[in-house]
Parts: sequence; structure tokens; C-alpha cells
Amino acid sequence: DVKVTQSSRYLVKRTGEKVFLECVQDMDHENMFWYRQDPGLGLRLIYFSYDVKMKEKGDIPEGYSVSREKKERFSLILESASTNQTSMYLCASSLVQVGGYTFGSGTRLTVV
Amino acid sequence: TQLLEQSPQFLSIQEGENLTVYCNSSSVFSSLQWYRQEPGEGPVLLVTVVTGGEVKKLKRLTFQFGDARKDSSLHITAAQPGDTGLYLCAATTGGYQKVTFGTGTKLQVIP
Repeated sequence: DVKVTQSSRYLVKRTGEKVFLECVQDMDHENMFWYRQDPGLGLRLIYFSYDVKMKEKGDIPEGYSVSREKKERFSLILESASTNQTSMYLCASSLVQVGGYTFGSGTRLTVV
Repeated sequence: TQLLEQSPQFLSIQEGENLTVYCNSSSVFSSLQWYRQEPGEGPVLLVTVVTGGEVKKLKRLTFQFGDARKDSSLHITAAQPGDTGLYLCAATTGGYQKVTFGTGTKLQVIP
């Protein structure tokens, strides 16, 4: 069964910590995405990547960076975690020119 | 950023009832997807529609893409408790697979 795997389901971090969220897909998809989901705001795109070592800013990239050293792995980095980054983080992947994402199960991050 | 409006925001119905959820925009889309998300999980893709006027069926779920490719609807026949969840529409523009999501319709089906 093809899947997108996020390394942690729940994380609690302290303000100011550097946080790494890992995402791995086994479908050989070119495209990978990081979203955050907040009540009343829906899914908002943070960063995306269409190829290895390539990255593009989404709608809300401030406070985040990403890394894609291998095709199957896309990492989201919170350089200095803040309480307003408490959220559900969702990783997704897709094939080029084919509609629809495959999502991971999400990481619920709490910054205290 | 395109705006996708979903209605209603919340829906609570009895098992066996029918319902329709709407997704509307002023923009034209190249494709539109519907997802269902259960609490604590990621969204799961239900369907992709591409052609204006297209209708797709998935068991008791019927999806329609508007003729002008600006809107879509999801109709559920004889809802069951297993249909409970957050229904999200998402639309794609351009050739880069950048997707805009609606804010969702939260459906509760009461046994």
C-alpha cells in the first residue's frame, strides 16, 4: 500500500527550539508539499518542492524552511519555534500533472 | 490566492438522510478534488474531476463539476455514521499542481 509517512504523530517543543518534521513517500512522486491546518483557517501551504534540491515558498513560509536532499524525503524546519506555530502539520505528495494528493497522517505540534 | 467557499460549514443529520455539500469560486479551475478527513488523520482523496459538467459516482457519493469549472457539489445518498468527517474541496490551477483548499464542511451522521 503506497503511503506518505510523517515521523511523529505528536510533538511538544519549547519556544526557541529548532524543530525538524520529517516526511517520506514511497510512490516516486516528484511533488511534495507541507501544509499547516488550523481551525477556521483550513489548510495553508507553507512550502513545496517539484524536484530534488528544489523548493518554492507557499502562502505562509515565514518562520519555516525546508530541505529536499532525496526525492522521497521532504523535511520541514522550524528555525526557532514559537507558540503561534502550534498546529497540525500535513505533508503530501503528488505526481506531475495528475490531480490529487496523498497525505500523511499529520504531526500535531505544540509549542510551549 | 483563489478563494474556495464551501457550504454549509457544519451539517448534522440522521442516518439514512441525503445531503449535498457545495464548493464555489469565482475562478476557473483545471481540476477539482474532494477529500474526507477524519479527526487526527490526514485528508484522503475521494475523487478528481477535470471536465466541465463531469459527474462521478463512488458508491453512495456523487460528485459533479460545474459546466464553467468554477463550482462543484458532493451528494451523499442514505448517509451512514461512517460518512462522518470533514469534507474538503481543493482546486488546481495552472501546470504546477498548486492547490487551493476550501475551509471544509464538517459532517456528523447520527445513528
